[in-house]
Amino acid sequence: GAGVSQSPRYKVAKRGQDVALRCDPISGHVSLFWYQQALGQGPEFLTYFQNEAQLDKSGLPSDRFFAERPEGSVSTLKIQRTQQEDSAVYLCASSLGAASKNTEAFFGQGTRLTVV
Amino acid sequence: GQNIDQPTEMTATEGAIVQINCTYQTSGFNGLFWYQQHAGEAPTFLSYNVLDGLEEKGRFSSFLSRSKGYSYLLLKELQMKDSASYLCAVNGNAGKSTFGDGTTLTVKP
Repeated sequence: GAGVSQSPRYKVAKRGQDVALRCDPISGHVSLFWYQQALGQGPEFLTYFQNEAQLDKSGLPSDRFFAERPEGSVSTLKIQRTQQEDSAVYLCASSLGAASKNTEAFFGQGTRLTVV
Repeated sequence: GQNIDQPTEMTATEGAIVQINCTYQTSGFNGLFWYQQHAGEAPTFLSYNVLDGLEEKGRFSSFLSRSKGYSYLLLKELQMKDSASYLCAVNGNAGKSTFGDGTTLTVKP
């Protein structure tokens, strides 16, 4: 596609509910990143995929967070038993090369998750 | 780990020049990015520095000093549309980016 697409744009979840956030990266991009951005702060790294392989998940805040990219394109970030502290904007970014190549990352517009 | 510091807010006048500083302490360094983020929108790439010196791209320039752990973004001929948050991000080993909290720039007429 023309850019990174994320859905839904907005999600309101009741505390304890499971949510799934989708990211469609730019076609052919090898690297895919998920970030969490709280209001007034910079994006915080969550996890990184190179094709279908999840090479780094050190930023996932708890075992309630799970990400996958089974065919090396679309990725889903799943949050189980959502808590109020999970409220944030979740950003997905993709880049053409492997992360170690320092190629420019293109960001989606994010999913704003509000847990009530 | 990585620690990125940049000013929280800056204000400048339309047509002027503004410099946004970023200092970092890192356990690994593999390049520094600057991104622009308008409220409610995605960050967009502005510049990338991996070697010391100045990179110029139109009205925007970015400078890096690796020995000092310091970078700045220079915006010339400011326009109202430049009002946004400017994010400094350092790539550590394995390409993982650590972002600063951003500098909110307000351009006034």
